[in-house]
Amino acid sequence: GEDVEQSLFLSVREGDSSVINCTYTDSSSTYLYWYKQEPGAGLQLLTYIFSNMDMKQDQRLTVLLNKKDKHLSLRIADTQTGDSAIYFCAESEWGGGNKLTFGTGTQLKVEL
Amino acid sequence: EAQVTQNPRYLITVTGKKLTVTCSQNMNHEYMSWYRQDPGLGLRQIYYSMNVEVTDKGDVPEGYKVSRKEKRNFPLILESPSPNQTSLYFCASSPPSGRYGYTFGSGTRLTVV
Repeated sequence: GEDVEQSLFLSVREGDSSVINCTYTDSSSTYLYWYKQEPGAGLQLLTYIFSNMDMKQDQRLTVLLNKKDKHLSLRIADTQTGDSAIYFCAESEWGGGNKLTFGTGTQLKVEL
Repeated sequence: EAQVTQNPRYLITVTGKKLTVTCSQNMNHEYMSWYRQDPGLGLRQIYYSMNVEVTDKGDVPEGYKVSRKEKRNFPLILESPSPNQTSLYFCASSPPSGRYGYTFGSGTRLTVV
């Protein structure tokens, strides 16, 4: 079945860039997503990338997709303390129930 | 405000006592889904629904039931809860287009003792 992997923790200093990485196995993934989960809250969709794209930029967020290596990354520029959260990578072969397969999540800690 | 509403937010119950977690969305979304979140495992899909009266199993359906009698509601039923169903549960909804992803509710933390 599908598998999505992420590293568990990342610590950065405020103002630096953060890069969260994700690898997936399903070659038929149509959409790949990044979700953010703050303590005690649900998941908030940050951004997505369609599988035929290499890069997508949205303000401080840059998503890079290497489809050959099945590698997805999320770069957060000028990381702030408010960015501290768990970040989930998810992939979907859209259609047929639109099931999202999630990674285990990366806990981002931003230090002053 | 567009949202997915789950109730209750917190629930402690005893083994075997039937319970229902409600989920409602006000966005007229066709797709709805239930996930459970466990440490180290990420989120796993329990059941999903593509429209009224259309439901199907996800990855971890054992011990759960769902129904979709109306478009906006998608309750999760635990007929006989067991301690291994202690988890954080999320309901989510989406339109058919994948570009919007799923909108998630705030979660229900269930403890079964």
